[in-house]
Amino acid sequence: SQKIEQNSEALNIQEGKTATLTCNYTNYSPAYLQWYRQDPGRGPVFLLLIRENEKEKRKERLKVTFDTTLKQSLFHITASQPADSATYLCALGDDYKLSFGAGTTVTVRA
Amino acid sequence: NAGVMQNPRHLVRRRGQEARLRCSPMKGHSHVYWYRQLPEEGLKFMVYLQKENIIDESGMPKERFSAEFPKEGPSILRIQQVVRGDSAAYFCASSPPEARNPNAEAFFGQGTRLTVV
Repeated sequence: SQKIEQNSEALNIQEGKTATLTCNYTNYSPAYLQWYRQDPGRGPVFLLLIRENEKEKRKERLKVTFDTTLKQSLFHITASQPADSATYLCALGDDYKLSFGAGTTVTVRA
Repeated sequence: NAGVMQNPRHLVRRRGQEARLRCSPMKGHSHVYWYRQLPEEGLKFMVYLQKENIIDESGMPKERFSAEFPKEGPSILRIQQVVRGDSAAYFCASSPPEARNPNAEAFFGQGTRLTVV
């Protein structure tokens, strides 16, 4: 069955450093992969999408890579800020249906 | 332009009662999805609806759960005879037709937190 695994440990980093989150998957060949941000008690908010034929995508301080051979995506937050503290979800998509990982909680210390 | 609206935000039901969760999609969105999130788990797809049609309900439990998206009004997720295991956060998402959504982005509501006591 499909399995999506994100960093099991929460990430605590110093302001200004780069946070790197991992999303690994098995038994799946997604057409695209998305990253969402979720704050406590709120719904997920879309951040970035990367397609299966793309290697890397950037948006402001965010960078996503997608390696379909390794079945892995890396999500980077550069020059991190306390406001980046949240849970980040990776989601694999095939047409309309999204399959989510459990998320990685990031805390950025001032 | 209001986002996806879900109500109630919190719902407490006793075992055996019915729970009704409502979702109004964003203006101009004709596709609605329901997801369930259990503690420490990822969101799990439940059902995909378009106006008056259930497109994919492969994630819905076979019994007690139903969903609709009528021509007028919000989408409703209905859980009959709730049990403690139904306690979770239920999220609704909406999206425009595919042609207008190159990022396949889903816009999520704030969720309804159902607690069964």
